[in-house]
Amino acid sequence: AQKITQTQPGMFVQEKEAVTLDCTYDTSDPSYGLFWYKQPSSGEMIFLIYQGSYDQQNATEGRYSLNFQKARKSANLVISASQLGDSAMYFCAMTNDYKLSFGAGTTVTVRA
Amino acid sequence: SAVISQKPSRDICQRGTSLTIQCQVDSQVTMMFWYRQQPGQSLTLIATANQGSEATYESGFVIDKFPISRPNLTFSTLTVSNMSPEDSSIYLCSVEDRREERGYYNEQFFGPGTRLTVL
Repeated sequence: AQKITQTQPGMFVQEKEAVTLDCTYDTSDPSYGLFWYKQPSSGEMIFLIYQGSYDQQNATEGRYSLNFQKARKSANLVISASQLGDSAMYFCAMTNDYKLSFGAGTTVTVRA
Repeated sequence: SAVISQKPSRDICQRGTSLTIQCQVDSQVTMMFWYRQQPGQSLTLIATANQGSEATYESGFVIDKFPISRPNLTFSTLTVSNMSPEDSSIYLCSVEDRREERGYYNEQFFGPGTRLTVL
């Protein structure tokens, strides 16, 4: 069974600063994918970034980067230069085969 | 990337009634997924819907409560039957799309969701 753990229920960050959202996972499968999604108050799920278990390099997508530490089974999301529009719920998710399992989520509030 | 629409976007229903949620995709996809997000909670997979076969339900979800149809490769419906206040949630459909980056992987795209309130 797969399990995703996000231990930070909520975080505050100052505008223009960086924030790191923690995610650890547990799986016995050698092949898996890790995703981060953003969910604003509107409820839509927005894909941010992906990391494959065999990827040698950490994934980056604009202001988002994923700090992948395979031996520690962690996949932390770093948002650089935070903007007010980054205020949302962030979910870490893992896929094996085709099913997505989600963590509990972290609410990020960006302060001006 | 796939564009997904859902109807209705929100609804308020009385207990004991049923609601059917529609999910439309702008391209043909093999697999469609239905998720439930209860208030303040994370997403939980209800079932996987393949065209031409019965949906595959996750533990804790049954066909009598959440019947699913998948008549073609661009459309699916989820019915929430005999509703109770505990069914108040956001229901989201999603589809997989293949991305050719750093090898390839399958990304799941989500619809805008249906906010259901059961009184």
